[in-house]
Amino acid sequence: QKEVEQNSGPLSVPEGAIASLNCTYSDRGSQSFFWYRQYSGKSPELIMSIYSNGDKEDGRFTAQLNKASQYVSLLIRDSQPSDSATYLCAVSQRQAGTALIFGKGTTLSVSS
Amino acid sequence: GAVVSQHPSRVICKSGTSVKIECRSLDFQATTMFWYRQFPKKSLMLMATSNEGSKATYEQGVEKDKFLINHASLTLSTLTVTSAHPEDSSFYICSARIIMLETQYFGPGTRLLVL
Repeated sequence: QKEVEQNSGPLSVPEGAIASLNCTYSDRGSQSFFWYRQYSGKSPELIMSIYSNGDKEDGRFTAQLNKASQYVSLLIRDSQPSDSATYLCAVSQRQAGTALIFGKGTTLSVSS
Repeated sequence: GAVVSQHPSRVICKSGTSVKIECRSLDFQATTMFWYRQFPKKSLMLMATSNEGSKATYEQGVEKDKFLINHASLTLSTLTVTSAHPEDSSFYICSARIIMLETQYFGPGTRLLVL
């Protein structure tokens, strides 16, 4: 059973702090990794994709991938109340073209 | 960026009627589209994978005769909820995958309420 695990939270951070969201996956054959943000009542929105080990930065967001440890993380710097949402980690399957495997999501709450 | 639309955004219907939801990729071609359902405060649940020109692949427990999926072109997939019942009330979300990439882009979702 391929799995993607996330801590459900809620993760609470004060405004301006760094929020760190973590994700582990079970399938060593996975090659593509994604972070989506979902606001309450809305559909998921792609934030970051990462394909190789190391860090990838995009504005206030940094995705980190460690394939040996089967671990993906998302750092949000200078967190804002508008970042309060559920963050979904998604991982590709070995078979190309099949649906991404989603974690259950971590709820982030940024207080002002 | 890749844009996926859904129509309608919200629908209220009587029990026993059928409802069709459209999912369109607006600025890219999608050989594969996916249909999800999400109940309040619950996780996304994959219902089916839709490939252009072929029959959809349904996840275990999803009734293919109740949730009819058609993917007639590279930019359009439809989900028809047949003989809808109150327990089918949910948030239905489609996503589309760009050819040759694994990235999925989500539509805005359709909120279905069956009375």
